[in-house]
Amino acid sequence: DSGVTQTPKHLITATGQRVTLRCSPRSGDLSVYWYQQSLDQGLQFLIQYYNGEERAKGNILERFSAQQFPDLHSELNLSSLELGDSALYFCASSGGGRSYNEQFFGPGTRLTVL
Amino acid sequence: GESVGLHLPTLSVQEGDNSIINCAYSNSASDYFIWYKQESGKGPQFIIDIRSNMDKRQGQRVTVLLNKTVKHLSLQIAATQPGDSAVYFCAEGINDYKLSFGAGTTVTVRA
Repeated sequence: DSGVTQTPKHLITATGQRVTLRCSPRSGDLSVYWYQQSLDQGLQFLIQYYNGEERAKGNILERFSAQQFPDLHSELNLSSLELGDSALYFCASSGGGRSYNEQFFGPGTRLTVL
Repeated sequence: GESVGLHLPTLSVQEGDNSIINCAYSNSASDYFIWYKQESGKGPQFIIDIRSNMDKRQGQRVTVLLNKTVKHLSLQIAATQPGDSAVYFCAEGINDYKLSFGAGTTVTVRA
C-alpha cells in the first residue's frame, strides 16, 4: 500500500459526460501528479500540483482540468468525454516538488466511456 | 514519438536466473532516469533511479546501468523471483518537473 488513495476505483459513463476523479496523497506529501495510462499511449504525465499550485503540465487536454485543495487532496475533472478517454488514471504523490523525488502511485481509477 | 522506449515488450525468465531489461532513450539532455515496476491491477512502484552523472547504481537485488554514449539504460534483477513478474517501465527526466515513460516490458517468471 503506497498510502495514496484514489476514488472511485471504477467509473463507467457515456460520451459527452463529465466526471471527477479524486486523489488523497500520502500524509505530508505536497506534490500530486496525475497520469493517464492507456494501451496505445502508455503512461502519460498530465499535470502536477505542488502545495496547491500548478507546477508542471504535460499532455493534458483542454477538456481536462485539475486542482489541489488546501488539505492537499486533488481532483481531476474530465469533461466532454470521448471514447478515447477510456483509460486508467493514476495519481501519485511525493514530498518534494521535483519529478525526480520518489513518486508513490495510487491504485488508479479505471474510466470506461461508452 | 516517445523519447524513451524498451527494446523488448516481453521477457520470460526462469526463476532464479538473472533478468536484464533494456531501455533506449533519445534525449541526451535528460539528467535522471527511473525504473518503475507495475504489478497487475496496481499502480507503478519506484524501483531505483540514476542520475546522468553516474554509470551504475545498485539496490537490493537490482542494478541500473546507464550508458550515455549509446543512450541506453538497463535494469538487472538478480535471482529473479515469481514476485518479480510485472511490467517494468523506464522513465526519463525531461526537466525537473516531468517524467516521460517508456512503453514497458512485461516480465514473466517461469517456475
